[in-house]
Parts: sequence; C-alpha cells; structure tokens
Amino acid sequence: DTEVTQTPKHLVMGMTNKKSLKCEQHMGHRAMYWYKQKAKKPPELMFVYSYEKLSINESVPSRFSPECPNSSLLNLHLHALQPEDSALYLCASSQSSTGLNTEAFFGQGTRLTVV
Amino acid sequence: GEDVEQSLFLSVREGDSSVINCTYTDSSSTYLYWYKQEPGAGLQLLTYIFSNMDMKQDQRLTVLLNKKDKHLSLRIADTQTGDSAIYFCAESSMDSSYKLIFGSGTRLLVRP
Repeated sequence: DTEVTQTPKHLVMGMTNKKSLKCEQHMGHRAMYWYKQKAKKPPELMFVYSYEKLSINESVPSRFSPECPNSSLLNLHLHALQPEDSALYLCASSQSSTGLNTEAFFGQGTRLTVV
Repeated sequence: GEDVEQSLFLSVREGDSSVINCTYTDSSSTYLYWYKQEPGAGLQLLTYIFSNMDMKQDQRLTVLLNKKDKHLSLRIADTQTGDSAIYFCAESSMDSSYKLIFGSGTRLLVRP
C-alpha cells in the first residue's frame, strides 16, 4: 500500500469560512508534508512534520494552520483565506524527513477555490 | 540557492523513445527523483537515483546521472499515449534539509 489519501478532492470556500483539509497514510511513514501547487507550476513546500512534530514551516501565513493528530493523519486548517490561495494542495509522506528513505509519496490533492 | 531546470515541452510519436532532461546546481545533491503528474492529479513517484549511481533501469524507464555535469535524464522506451503528462525532476540534499527542490516540469505530449 503506497497510498496517501486526501479529502475532500474539491473544496470551494468563502473568504470568511473555516475549513479543513485532511490527509491519511498507513505506510508507517513518520514524515508528512503539505505542498501548494499553482497552475503550471511545481509544488511549493509549506510544512513538514517529522514524528508528529512540526519541523519546517516555509514562512506560510497564519491563515494556514497545520495539525498532526497522530502518525497517520495530517490536517490543514484554513481560515480567512484570500482568492490567491486558490490552488491544488498536496499532501505527501515519506519514511523519514532526513537521510535515507526520503522519497515522498503524494496524495491526489485537494483542489481549493476561494471565492 | 539550489536550482533545478528542465525544458518545458517535449513531443514524441507513440512507440518512439522519450528523453526528458534536467540540470541541477546543488553539488551536494544526494537523491534525485522523477515524478509524473497527470492533469488534475497528484504526483506519482516514478523512480529515484542516489548520487553515487550512474544509471538505474526500471522496466521502460532508464535514469542516467552525470554527476560531473549535474545532468539527469529520464528515458521512456516505447512511449505510449498514457505517458502524456508533466514530468518533474527533483533533488534533495542534506544542505537543503532534505527538502525536495523541484524543476519547473516538462510537459510530454505523445502523438498517436
């Protein structure tokens, strides 16, 4: 099983809404990631969790709030987003975040539209 | 900082071989990856190579690494229409805290 599952697949939210993106993996991976991908661009790293602790925050605005409730789950809480935050949000996991076994497996993404 | 570059577009005929090229600047790159992304989908890890290797073959895929020139290529043999997608090269190293540094992606179009 090399699957990373993301829900929902599509999300439309208003600028005053609060919503959450969810990500799940059962590969026993201890590193999980959030990426943001705009159209025709490569993914951009947002956050890295290693052993359920936030290890990297790439200067992401506070309207994006990650959470790692356990080693299999990763959430991204969204609040007061802007239309320019519309993008494909990708979750990924890897066995570790440093050294060997850093190859990352990606989910199918959540297509977010902020109106 | 680290940079990864790819050509933007490649068009091949079905049944031909495709070669997608990538160059990188980080001399300490430890791992180099190829990902495939179909429209509206996530990234699929195709293959990866450690920087102490020159070549890796996996069925129709061959990865060649020229560490001296910092050049990575992905060859797809007998290219099929289902191979049409965007292909991202990525590298990671200890110097970048093992973060994936992606190229801009190469759009491969396979013509029937």
